[in-house]
Amino acid sequence: DSGVTQTPKHLITATGQRVTLRCSPRSGDLSVYWYQQSLDQGLQFLIQYYNGEERAKGNILERFSAQQFPDLHSELNLSSLELGDSALYFCASSPRLGAGELFFGEGSRLTVL
Amino acid sequence: ELKVEQNPLFLSMQEGKNYTIYCNYSTTSDRLYWYRQDPGKSLESLFVLLSNGAVKQEGRLMASLDTKARLSTLHITAAVHDLSATYFCAVGLNAGNMLTFGGGTRLMVKP
Repeated sequence: DSGVTQTPKHLITATGQRVTLRCSPRSGDLSVYWYQQSLDQGLQFLIQYYNGEERAKGNILERFSAQQFPDLHSELNLSSLELGDSALYFCASSPRLGAGELFFGEGSRLTVL
Repeated sequence: ELKVEQNPLFLSMQEGKNYTIYCNYSTTSDRLYWYRQDPGKSLESLFVLLSNGAVKQEGRLMASLDTKARLSTLHITAAVHDLSATYFCAVGLNAGNMLTFGGGTRLMVKP
């Protein structure tokens, strides 16, 4: 158990809908990362927050947004969902700002029908 | 843009055999990480390599880093079925904030 908690574990929804994925980092970790894992794209970095501020952005679609709250938990919002958004979404946390060892949650599996 | 390539992408091996997974990356870095992922599960950190020549061993797995060659290896000794999983290497740029992952090597160890 890495100490990173993600909810929900599984989510099935329809195209055009909006969902929110939630992540609680390890105690004391200030950095939260979101990664998307799909069969054809591998593990893709989406976005990073550090102590409430966005610090790095990867291949995140405009339909997706994220935020980190004062209690350091983070939410990833996915809207106008398409079939291709079906994937495993991982949250990871780290105590530092820079590129260091990441501790991953169990992931949220999103299926868009 | 940092590119991280692993090979092979798929590896089927017999129990008791040795093999090596390779991870090449395109930009200077001295931060390399190896992760293991079981099907549908989370990524588990295996090794943290933070300097040229670093070597870490845990059980039947040994990881090394050559920053000059921009290469890391994960060596499997006398494989057992429990090692079947997908292994990822990930590289962090010294001035960057996130890790870039390789495509993964799916390892299947057959009895």
